[in-house]
Amino acid sequence: SAVISQKPSRDICQRGTSLTIQCQVDSQVTMMFWYRQQPGQSLTLIATANQGSEATYESGFVIDKFPISRPNLTFSTLTVSNMSPEDSSIYLCSVEEGLGPGNTIYFGEGSWLTVV
Amino acid sequence: KQEVTQIPAALSVPEGENLVLNCSFTDSAIYNLQWFRQDPGKGLTSLLLIQSSQREQTSGRLNASLDKSSGRSTLYIAASQPGDSATYLCAGGAAGNKLTFGGGTRVLVKP
Repeated sequence: SAVISQKPSRDICQRGTSLTIQCQVDSQVTMMFWYRQQPGQSLTLIATANQGSEATYESGFVIDKFPISRPNLTFSTLTVSNMSPEDSSIYLCSVEEGLGPGNTIYFGEGSWLTVV
Repeated sequence: KQEVTQIPAALSVPEGENLVLNCSFTDSAIYNLQWFRQDPGKGLTSLLLIQSSQREQTSGRLNASLDKSSGRSTLYIAASQPGDSATYLCAGGAAGNKLTFGGGTRVLVKP
């Protein structure tokens, strides 16, 4: 299975600032995803990170707030811009391993952000 | 739009008892159903993946079933142990390998 590393693992951020989360995978993967887990809630998909093109955002999420980069098949970043306390969440990177639909999805350990 | 529900939200059992966790989904055009475990302060660990063409998957003490016609999946954990205490999440897979998650069931196995 793919090994996924996320940085930072935790951070406390000031309101109005931006933070970039990095996701590194130990193998080349086609699909990379970013999820958010708000306190006490389940996971919600933010966007699919596409290699070499713009990310595909889900309803309720926009590029200006959550810009995403995917420069190659093993790395992606998610930026949380102009943060407010409502952005305090766990942000998780996930990857699909293998080709074709219906493959197992693996998750990183998550990045725990607290906005004060 | 797919909606995934997990009942109960929390479950407490004595060690050795079998666990039954329920997951229901609204859209039967599901690609697959995946069960995850989340420990406090940790990310998600994939437990079992059931493809839409399959009825069940087994791994050790874990068995997951999928009934698309009724929109249900069940995760069975046999002979529970304190180390099984965690939150268990089910997720329905759709086109583009996007997952829709349930709210999770928080399990406590008491020694």
